[in-house]
Amino acid sequence: AQKITQTQPGMFVQEKEAVTLDCTYDTSDPSYGLFWYKQPSSGEMIFLIYQGSYDQQNATEGRYSLNFQKARKSANLVISASQLGDSAMYFCAMREGTGNQFYFGTGTSLTVIP
Amino acid sequence: EPEVTQTPSHQVTQMGQEVILRCVPISNHLYFYWYRQILGQKVEFLVSFYNNEISEKSEIFDDQFSVERPDGSNFTLKIRSTKLEDSAMYFCASIRVRGQYFGPGTRLTVT
Repeated sequence: AQKITQTQPGMFVQEKEAVTLDCTYDTSDPSYGLFWYKQPSSGEMIFLIYQGSYDQQNATEGRYSLNFQKARKSANLVISASQLGDSAMYFCAMREGTGNQFYFGTGTSLTVIP
Repeated sequence: EPEVTQTPSHQVTQMGQEVILRCVPISNHLYFYWYRQILGQKVEFLVSFYNNEISEKSEIFDDQFSVERPDGSNFTLKIRSTKLEDSAMYFCASIRVRGQYFGPGTRLTVT
């Protein structure tokens, strides 16, 4: 089974609107961390937000928030007030327990339309 | 703000040659990683490194690959005998508790 599943290969959103990028994960370890990254066309990987499995609240970083639903094993990224510069690939990733291996999803390509 | 740096930004090599990709992680981070991303595909974990030894490695990280931290700052990935399928973007990353930070990557082209 895939550790990280991103079911939306491509998404479009109108500028200034909010968008949700889906991510589900699979682990039996009670301790894990979930990460979201942005990869613009220039190729760099930009860390956006982190959610720990024991965190009581959903993570937020500026316009990024993580809708963490532990029972459903989902960690969706919400981008509010989309900007043209948000157009990029977005990857969800997981680190299990005390392990040092990261698992990445296949990514979602987001296009912000003016 | 401290950043992970990588050199070179682009490396072209002939099949069968050895390459060394270099990284300088963020200084107070303890865990270091190498990933690769074949063009248009997802990021694949290669190896993690902690306390001067390999912590975990993936199936991709076979005997052709090795990592070193030769001094207190540099972190290197060596590919002994490159193959065409090694052409990819290679990312170094380092981690603190609640975030993992990537370098800008080295694009390796094997001809």
